[in-house]
Amino acid sequence: DVKVTQSSRYLVKRTGEKVFLECVQDMDHENMFWYRQDPGLGLRLIYFSYDVKMKEKGDIPEGYSVSREKKERFSLILESASTNQTSMYLCASSAPRGGIGTEAFFGQGTRLTVV
Amino acid sequence: GESVGLHLPTLSVQEGDNSIINCAYSNSASDYFIWYKQESGKGPQFIIDIRSNMDKRQGQRVTVLLNKTVKHLSLQIAATQPGDSAVYFCAGANSGGYQKVTFGIGTKLQVIP
Repeated sequence: DVKVTQSSRYLVKRTGEKVFLECVQDMDHENMFWYRQDPGLGLRLIYFSYDVKMKEKGDIPEGYSVSREKKERFSLILESASTNQTSMYLCASSAPRGGIGTEAFFGQGTRLTVV
Repeated sequence: GESVGLHLPTLSVQEGDNSIINCAYSNSASDYFIWYKQESGKGPQFIIDIRSNMDKRQGQRVTVLLNKTVKHLSLQIAATQPGDSAVYFCAGANSGGYQKVTFGIGTKLQVIP
């Protein structure tokens, strides 16, 4: 079974702090994604990566950055946390076209509260 | 950019009845569609997918229908059970690209015992 693991289920951080959200997948997937999920807005793509050290902006990258130094790990960084970044963050991974499938497999989410 | 949306935010269904969840998409370049189920406190889980060269695909108790003419897809759940209660998301992607997946806002399915 594909496993996508997010390092924390719940986080509480202060405004202005630098926050790291970590995600690890064990299926050797090339693609990894970070989404945030807010009521009434669904899942919105922040950043994605299709290879080590490669990254692409999603729909809402402002205030975020990412790091992919190893294939299995994709980190989301909030440079200076703000209260409007309070949300559920979901990491996902998928195989590229021609691989085992193109559906994304999700972690269980990190609920971040910025106070 | 792509927009994928749902017609109904909440759907209540009697246990044993069939459920139909609808979804509209706007990007004609989307050629791959996925339905996800998200239970409370968990990440979304894959249910079924369909490629644009198909108009119907069946799984176990679920069927996805795709109408490319009107850019609409639906998820049908047969004999709905309490365990089907969840939020359902449709998602679309262009499989020729980086497979960036765009999600709709979700429909909450409530199964009435």
